Parts: sequence; C-alpha cells; structure tokens
Amino acid sequence: RKEVEQDPGPFNVPEGATVAFNCTYSNSASQSFFWYRQDCRKEPKLLMSVYSSGNEDGRFTAQLNRASQYISLLIRDSKLSDSATYLCVVASSMDSNYQLIWGAGTKLIIKP
Amino acid sequence: GAVVSQHPSWVICKSGTSVKIECRSLDFQATTMFWYRQFPKQSLMLMATSNEGSKATYEQGVEKDKFLINHASLTLSTLTVTSAHPEDSSFYICSASRGANSPLHFGNGTRLTVT
Repeated sequence: RKEVEQDPGPFNVPEGATVAFNCTYSNSASQSFFWYRQDCRKEPKLLMSVYSSGNEDGRFTAQLNRASQYISLLIRDSKLSDSATYLCVVASSMDSNYQLIWGAGTKLIIKP
Repeated sequence: GAVVSQHPSWVICKSGTSVKIECRSLDFQATTMFWYRQFPKQSLMLMATSNEGSKATYEQGVEKDKFLINHASLTLSTLTVTSAHPEDSSFYICSASRGANSPLHFGNGTRLTVT
C-alpha cells in the first residue's frame, strides 16, 4: 500500500458543480496535511493547510478524518480556472527528521 | 510574494556538460530544502533532502554522484546535474519550509533540456 494515495482521475466536472476528492495516508502518526495545486508545467502552489477541525477558504473546504486516515478537498461552484492537478501532502516528524510524503495528484478538468 | 527563489528558470545545454541550479529562501532560514524532479505528465518525485552543513539524503535510485547537492548556507542550496544526458531533461523544483509542520514553499522550477 502506498503511503499516500490519491485517485489520479481525471475528474471531468461541469462548471458550477461541486466536486470532492480524498487522499488516504498510511502513517497514523502523521501530523500535518496540506493541499497543493499544480498547473501544467508549473510548480505546485499551496492551496490550503488542513486542520483537525476542518477549514474553509472561499469555495474550498478541507477536512481531516484521523480515524479513517484520509483528508478531503471539496470545491464548490467550480470555475474553469480550477482545472489543475491537486496534490495532497502528509507530513510527519520522527526523530527530528521532518518527512513529507506526496500523493501522485488528482487531475481535475472543469468543462464549460 | 515569492519566498523561495530558483534560478535559472530554464536552461538548454549540450550532452556531457554540467548544469547548476540555485534555490534560495528569501525571508527565512531553511535548514532543510528539498529537490524534486517531474517528468511530463508524471507526479512530483523527491530526489533528495538537502541539509545545511551536512550531506544530502538521496532517495532510492537517485545517483548522488550525478546530482550533486550543496547546502552551504541557511538560505541557499544548489543542485548540479553533472555530465547531463538527454534523459536528464526534466522539470526540477526546489522547496523549503519555515519549519516542521509548516507547508512547503516552492521555487518556480527549472526546465532543463539536454540536447
């Protein structure tokens, strides 16, 4: 089992729809979680951190489920500009080593 | 504004030459920086973790003698692709974090083309 898994997609979604995808992780000691967005041929950019109580930033909502070991990202009222690959990152600190594990990304395509 | 600066943004070089890529944290000290590589339509792959003042930690399958990493100061890490070959053509990205459990900030990447 991979340490961090994402459905690669692509998710083809009509503009205005709501879309959600998950990211599962295997290390129960993981401490921090992030969602990044990567556009084609560009570097990843931080979309949002994921907090234990869940958090919202405009049309984006991130949730953490520690019991089932997954994080989720929900996008409401999707825009054409939301088309990108969404990467989840799981971080843990062990023996003063800071380790980041990346998911392979979920490709999202918003269609007009 | 950008907190991690990477240079150059793109480079074309001939096979057999070496290419150096710089990664700087602009407004914070980074004891650890990360180097990634991404081939077209593939996911980001961690190459190595660059540690200030000590040797880099390379991921399995990454040749440390080919990809030289130097983290000489708390704000600068360099990746040198030695004796580059066309199969080394890729998108190389560095990142740094303000600290444990903080998100990564990325440089804007270097697109390397080896002819």
